[in-house]
Amino acid sequence: EAQVTQNPRYLITVTGKKLTVTCSQNMNHEYMSWYRQDPGLGLRQIYYSMNVEVTDKGDVPEGYKVSRKEKRNFPLILESPSPNQTSLYFCASSFAETQYFGPGTRLLVL
Amino acid sequence: GENVEQHPSTLSVQEGDSAVIKCTYSDSASNYFPWYKQELGKGPQLIIDIRSNVGEKKDQRIAVTLNKTAKHFSLHITETQPEDSAVYFCAASWDSGGYQKVTFGIGTKLQVIP
Repeated sequence: EAQVTQNPRYLITVTGKKLTVTCSQNMNHEYMSWYRQDPGLGLRQIYYSMNVEVTDKGDVPEGYKVSRKEKRNFPLILESPSPNQTSLYFCASSFAETQYFGPGTRLLVL
Repeated sequence: GENVEQHPSTLSVQEGDSAVIKCTYSDSASNYFPWYKQELGKGPQLIIDIRSNVGEKKDQRIAVTLNKTAKHFSLHITETQPEDSAVYFCAASWDSGGYQKVTFGIGTKLQVIP
């Protein structure tokens, strides 16, 4: 089954404790992205990647890092999480204009 | 940059009635307008899209219209059913150096009352 998977689905952490959210797709898509979803703000892009080793900032990249060492994986790294990064996070892979979203990761930073 | 406004933020309709969600965009470079449906606990899923060279597109009970001059596009759902209850996002997309960038609206929470 063609899909985008994210882990973990739920995460509670404390301020400053580094964390990684993994994302993997099995559709051989070149493009992958990370979004955060907040009430009243919709979906905002954090980072995107056009291919292996090619990444670029989206609209809200501060406090986040990404890497793309393999085509199928695109992890999101929070080196020092803060409470304002509490949010619902989505990974997506895309073919042409169509985006395929993962199931989401709900993060709470205390 | 592109700015997408979406109205209304919440919408309640009786089962069988129609629902309309409207979006406006600011950048005339946008040439692709997808609509995504997000069910509770899931990621958004593409339900219909329209390109800038088309004025209207229909797929069973859903349709999308685009007015390029006014920079408006709308989602129409007819004969609504309880399973249509979800959050709907519009988006405007444009090519930027070989990558299709996208800006989303804030979302509309649709409730279909049985």
